[in-house]
Amino acid sequence: QVQLVESGGGLVKPGGSLRLSCAASGFTFSDYYMSWIRQAPGKGLEWVSYISSSGSTIYYADSVKGRFTISRDNAKNSLYLQMNSLRAEDTAVYYCARDCSSTSCLSDWGQGTLVTVSS
Amino acid sequence: SYVLTQPPSVSVAPGQTARITCGGNNIGSKSVHWYQQKPGQAPVLVVYDDSDRPSGIPERFSGSNSGNTATLTISRVEAGDEADYYCQVWDSSSDHPGVFGGGTKLTVL
Repeated sequence: QVQLVESGGGLVKPGGSLRLSCAASGFTFSDYYMSWIRQAPGKGLEWVSYISSSGSTIYYADSVKGRFTISRDNAKNSLYLQMNSLRAEDTAVYYCARDCSSTSCLSDWGQGTLVTVSS
Repeated sequence: SYVLTQPPSVSVAPGQTARITCGGNNIGSKSVHWYQQKPGQAPVLVVYDDSDRPSGIPERFSGSNSGNTATLTISRVEAGDEADYYCQVWDSSSDHPGVFGGGTKLTVL
């Protein structure tokens, strides 16, 4: 079955950096578009970034553009999110999610990893 | 950027029908997807492409989309349906095309 396991979250000071990873299994990773979605405490879902199957197409939310970088390693079945210049408002649970393939929904989600930005 | 508007909360008695709306400019021209999120859990896709259900999702969950409003309908509501529900579209004309609604808390009375 499809499994998405995020790691790399934790406590970081404002201005610091963190790299999130998402290990995928149970499907042909290189065939699917992938996304990072976040949810601040008590708030709704925010689409952070999206990467096509080959990595050639990438989107970012305005709130993270220029600070976050999404990437993938299809040989390692892994998705990454490099987060730099972190701010308090980046505090959230970060989910990786798999695209539905035939349409624009998100069919599978990881359990999430918590990022806390605080001094 | 494209904006999706959901009511913050909807309440319904067990056995009744819950309707959660998602408003957007000409949303009827887009594919709308719906997610259910229970406390402490990741979201789960319950309806995609306006009205299709993933395998394993009960037939009680259905969707429609026309004009400026998409609707998630939950029939014969159960206590276990209490959750937050989010609509989502892909706005291909935008440079950040993935959009979620603000979410609706469904309370089962």
